[in-house]
Amino acid sequence: SQQGEEDPQALSIQEGENATMNCSYKTSINNLQWYRQNSGRGLVHLILIRSNEREKHSGRLRVTLDTSKKSSSLLITASRAADTASYFCATTYSGAGSYQLTFGKGTKLSVIP
Amino acid sequence: NAGVTQTPKFQVLKTGQSMTLQCAQDMNHEYMSWYRQDPGMGLRLIHYSVGAGITDQGEVPNGYNVSRSTTEDFPLRLLSAAPSQTSVYFCASSYSNPGVGLSQYFGPGTRLTVT
Repeated sequence: SQQGEEDPQALSIQEGENATMNCSYKTSINNLQWYRQNSGRGLVHLILIRSNEREKHSGRLRVTLDTSKKSSSLLITASRAADTASYFCATTYSGAGSYQLTFGKGTKLSVIP
Repeated sequence: NAGVTQTPKFQVLKTGQSMTLQCAQDMNHEYMSWYRQDPGMGLRLIHYSVGAGITDQGEVPNGYNVSRSTTEDFPLRLLSAAPSQTSVYFCASSYSNPGVGLSQYFGPGTRLTVT
């Protein structure tokens, strides 16, 4: 099945630095979403970018989408210790029955105070 | 609003036992789904529902049943638990089809261990 793949699998940075995570996918999509999961908790929706958009901002988050390369990036600026979490991209593909979100395996971000 | 609630939070089953994981939402969402998350993995869709009385299979439906008799509730039944079903289970809901660009709201999860 189509699946987003995040890169890197794990990332450790100092507080105040920027964190960049990448996601690649395999087939044409309707939209791509990023979610955050704190340890032992459910997922929280962060941001959604549609296939006809190239960049989107929400607070300290910046998402880009390059459909020609089938990839997206999530940038968290001025990171905080509270940003420590796993981040997942999820895609919905273009086609019949596109009810399903397909998740990648996630990037585990550690922000060191 | 309580959002999406799941019970129980933790459960241990013996192989062959059956049980039902409960999920409820109070946001009047049409779309509900069940995912499982295994260590180091993303979420995989088990079953989903686009409204009361309508359910369909996701990526990994074997060994699970669902029903949707009301808008609020979407229980997941394990028919005969197997160790391979040891996982964390998440229920999610949204107003409509996430494919058109609506985010999902997730419950806190149920951690299931099958021995």
